[in-house]
Amino acid sequence: GENVEQHPSTLSVQEGDSAVIKCTYSDSASNYFPWYKQELGKRPQLIIDIRSNVGEKKDQRIAVTLNKTAKHFSLHITETQPEDSAVYFCAATVNAGKSTFGDGTTLTVKP
Amino acid sequence: NAGVTQTPKFRVLKTGQSMTLLCAQDMNHEYMYWYRQDPGMGLRLIHYSVGEGTTAKGEVPDGYNVSRLKKQNFLLGLESAAPSQTSVYFCASSPIADEQFFGPGTRLTVL
Repeated sequence: GENVEQHPSTLSVQEGDSAVIKCTYSDSASNYFPWYKQELGKRPQLIIDIRSNVGEKKDQRIAVTLNKTAKHFSLHITETQPEDSAVYFCAATVNAGKSTFGDGTTLTVKP
Repeated sequence: NAGVTQTPKFRVLKTGQSMTLLCAQDMNHEYMYWYRQDPGMGLRLIHYSVGEGTTAKGEVPDGYNVSRLKKQNFLLGLESAAPSQTSVYFCASSPIADEQFFGPGTRLTVL
């Protein structure tokens, strides 16, 4: 089955700096790659996603890049703010929306 | 719209007891999923459904059963609870095989 590895497991940055989280996947059939943000005690919520026919997608301060050849994708957050502090999960999705999640990255933005 | 709801929010069981978790969605989504989330780990797929009357196994199906008799409901059953099933359980739904909308979670403790 699919295997998703996510790095780093924890990330601490100063407010205003950039943060990058990387994921690798194993199944070349995966074709949808979402990123979810989970605040403490809350449910995961989608922040950005990318499909296998696209190399990069941007939404304000958040961007995702995908390298299908190398089987890795990354989340980039620029101009970080304290409210960006949360756990971020990547996922790789095959058919029927069956997603395999990474173990998460705890991002702390220090004011 | 209530979105995705889960019942109950919290539950404490003794080893060997049984229970059913209910997930309901009012968005007319075809796909529904049950995940468990353990500390320091991502979401692991237990079972999923691609439509009314269908179910399929995910990564960690052992010890759980599911049913999808109505499109809007997805039930997760534990026939004989074990301490290893102590976790936070999330239900999710999606219209097609992409963004998943999560419920608020059920915190289950098995003593």
